[in-house]
Amino acid sequence: DAKTTQPPSMDCAEGRAANLPCNHSTISGNEYVYWYRQIHSQGPQYIIHGLKNNETNEMASLIITEDRKSSTLILPHATLRDTAVYYCIVSPSSGAQKLVFGQGTRLTINP
Amino acid sequence: GAVVSQHPSWVICKSGTSVKIECRSLDFQATTMFWYRQFPKQSLMLMATSNEGSKATYEQGVEKDKFLINHASLTLSTLTVTSAHPEDSSFYICSPRDSSDTDTQYFGPGTRLTVL
Repeated sequence: DAKTTQPPSMDCAEGRAANLPCNHSTISGNEYVYWYRQIHSQGPQYIIHGLKNNETNEMASLIITEDRKSSTLILPHATLRDTAVYYCIVSPSSGAQKLVFGQGTRLTINP
Repeated sequence: GAVVSQHPSWVICKSGTSVKIECRSLDFQATTMFWYRQFPKQSLMLMATSNEGSKATYEQGVEKDKFLINHASLTLSTLTVTSAHPEDSSFYICSPRDSSDTDTQYFGPGTRLTVL
């Protein structure tokens, strides 16, 4: 079973920052937080992952709380093409990794 | 980088026939391959995990004799749905894990299977 909790849906205005929350209160010390998104009828797309430090790449920023029980994915300037289902997943890295998907958050970017 | 292809992208077949889906990692090698399926308006469900040269490990409730997985090389894995029935209609997605960057798992574009 997925070990994360996400709101089922969110809306955001185009050009604004989209902040997607995720609760993972039972995360273990060796588990990373991964974010993927799935645009309709496509395979999931990797966004970002982190262990305990905040991470940033060309797509997004990942903010992980100090106790690691929750995190927030930030899309700094949302566009219409960011409309997708966003999945927050916790999983060990390397050989023990097995990504189990929950229901995710359906993010709709409005013009 | 991290390009994954699946073929075919969609297929329609008659009940009772077998369908083979190919998954290729085009610019990296994948020691481990995951296969998922996704029914309409549902999340992805892991079906099986395979390591190159070894037999696949199937998740509970997934019939290993119905969903045959072959992972003969580091860049190619196949999923064969044998004796397909309408309830097997789904979106099948492969996910190879980069052997040189095992923190990250990539996904193919998916194959839409419709069984009549």
